[in-house]
Amino acid sequence: QSVLTQPPSASGTPGQRVTISCSGSRSNIGINNVHWYQQLPGTAPKLLIYKNDQRPSGVPDRFSGSKSGTSASLAISGLRSEDEAVYYCSTWEDNLSGLGVVFGGGTKLTVL
Amino acid sequence: QVQLQESGPGLVKASQTLSLTCTVSGASVNTGGYFWSWIRQHPGKGLEWIGYIDYTGTTSNTPSLKSRVTISTDTSKNQLSLQLTSVTAADTAVYYCARDHSRFGEFSGAFDLWGQGTLVTVSS
Repeated sequence: QSVLTQPPSASGTPGQRVTISCSGSRSNIGINNVHWYQQLPGTAPKLLIYKNDQRPSGVPDRFSGSKSGTSASLAISGLRSEDEAVYYCSTWEDNLSGLGVVFGGGTKLTVL
Repeated sequence: QVQLQESGPGLVKASQTLSLTCTVSGASVNTGGYFWSWIRQHPGKGLEWIGYIDYTGTTSNTPSLKSRVTISTDTSKNQLSLQLTSVTAADTAVYYCARDHSRFGEFSGAFDLWGQGTLVTVSS
């Protein structure tokens, strides 16, 4: 059971816009930045979005992030076949049980 | 160009200590201002952050593994290492080392550089 909740799957057709949600709580997303990763099969995760809506250099502007309250979203516009991957959100958890980075369970995106 | 490369035994017996090394090239583990983390991924599952060590040698570990985890650096070899004691089958995973996006500042938890990962299987 992940601290951050993501839908297990999402899908879209080429050219479409897809959004992936990430739900948390006041002790994590509510007070900390959210980051997003893309993991292609058999490879290490790649940072897509950091600090809620910032793109590292080299990440296409088709990828965008947002945060509101205790939830965050990753949007992918102009969907391409190479976007088929698993996407993870993460943030810092700050509660009585301790501190640390927490991840969502991942959303497998299928490009139909 | 900074690169990370994990290495270590692919098979560890239950109750023993898992020891992994991450060789960093292109940046200094202790003077570059970076935070270096270990992250693992159980087969077919999501990601789990284990902990970090920063450029001052300060460490922080996830509460669930805290008592079993030691993260350290070897500046002479420009490596970071992970030791996980008393392993069980539940510790079977791909282990990644990763660099935090932040530099000379506060740990951000955004990992912008990853090693390729190394699979460790715990056998009974």
